[in-house]
Amino acid sequence: GAVVSQHPSRVICKSGTSVKIECRSLDFQATTMFWYRQFPKQSLMLMATSNEGSKATYEQGVEKDKFLINHASLTLSTLTVTSAHPEDSSFYICSASASKGQVRRGYTFGSGTRLTVV
Amino acid sequence: AQKITQTQPGMFVQEKEAVTLDCTYDTSDPSYGLFWYKQPSSGEMIFLIYQGSYDQQNATEGRYSLNFQKARKSANLVISASQLGDSAMYFCAMRETGYGGSQGNLIFGKGTKLSVKP
Repeated sequence: GAVVSQHPSRVICKSGTSVKIECRSLDFQATTMFWYRQFPKQSLMLMATSNEGSKATYEQGVEKDKFLINHASLTLSTLTVTSAHPEDSSFYICSASASKGQVRRGYTFGSGTRLTVV
Repeated sequence: AQKITQTQPGMFVQEKEAVTLDCTYDTSDPSYGLFWYKQPSSGEMIFLIYQGSYDQQNATEGRYSLNFQKARKSANLVISASQLGDSAMYFCAMRETGYGGSQGNLIFGKGTKLSVKP
């Protein structure tokens, strides 16, 4: 089945540094990638939506200059947390969507990245 | 606006018994999709079952079945013969309408933590 590989699974970084999270679709072309953020014991909140070759669409309240998303190819999307601060510590997870013709199981999630900023 | 409501923060079930996790939704779109995902403590999102708004029959996937009551806008998940490994967070989600050939993002409920007792 469809697989999305997300790396790293865990990362600890110092405050003020940047962290890049990669999501790679291994056996299908991800036309759309969704990036979610999940705080402990809470639900997944959509941060942004990216389509290959175009700029990402950010949800209200999400700083586009802080959370840089690049979807340069149909198999790779990256989220870079720039100048990270402790309040950015969270679980980040990507979800890839293929074509509309694969509606029923069209969402494949990465395994998530647990970011801790110290 | 589309919305998913899960009113049970936590549920307990005895091993081998069945359990129902509640989910209600709100949308004005005639075409929508409903999903259930399982999230163990590791964080990955595991797809369980999908129900399309025009599906005539309730969806079933092994021990999982979806009690879809369109008029009531409910999509409860039924897990039969609970196993210890079923202990996890369970999220109900609805697909937003996408644009062009892509699928829209998922809107998640707050989740229900299921604990299976031996």
